[in-house]
Amino acid sequence: AQKITQTQPGMFVQEKEAVTLDCTYDTSDQSYGLFWYKQPSSGEMIFLIYQGSYDEQNATEGRYSLNFQKARKSANLVISASQLGDSAMYFCAMRDYNTDKLIFGTGTRLQVFP
Amino acid sequence: GAGVSQSPSNKVTEKGKDVELRCDPISGHTALYWYRQSLGQGLEFLIYFQGNSAPDKSGLPSDRFSAERTGGSVSTLTIQRTQQEDSAVYLCASTRGGGSLGNSPLHFGNGTRLTVT
Repeated sequence: AQKITQTQPGMFVQEKEAVTLDCTYDTSDQSYGLFWYKQPSSGEMIFLIYQGSYDEQNATEGRYSLNFQKARKSANLVISASQLGDSAMYFCAMRDYNTDKLIFGTGTRLQVFP
Repeated sequence: GAGVSQSPSNKVTEKGKDVELRCDPISGHTALYWYRQSLGQGLEFLIYFQGNSAPDKSGLPSDRFSAERTGGSVSTLTIQRTQQEDSAVYLCASTRGGGSLGNSPLHFGNGTRLTVT
């Protein structure tokens, strides 16, 4: 069975610093996709970044990058130059390409302080 | 264009009553997902529709939960004989379809906050 694990319930980072949010996953499939979403206090779910299991390069989107280590089954999100507006819940998710089911981790609450 | 629309935004019901939650996906999106998010928790997968295929109901927590999707568009999640533990935010999401969804991100609605008293 597939599983997503986010071991950090909460993280603090100072403004303008970089922060890494951890995500590990478990699957026996060879084809899958990994996603990160941001959920501010307003409750909306905002798509941040995607990494395919066959992608050789780490994905990047602006200040977001994904540190993908396939052998270790980890897909950590790196946020560079943190901003106060980055304070939110962050969810890692995995899609099984066979079933298209998308499952989520339990999330990490990031707080950015001045 | 319009995003995913969910209604109602808030629903308060008495224990034992039935409720219906509605989701209007983005036009042209053939894949539709329902999730449940309890306070401060992650997203729990409930059900997934893709085009005319049989839905993946593997996440429905009990037979009190059911969902349908009419005409490949609007979806309704029904909870019968509601219990207090059903209180949560119910999120709907859609994405483009056609074969494996690959890197297509889900577009989420704002959710329905259900409170069972």
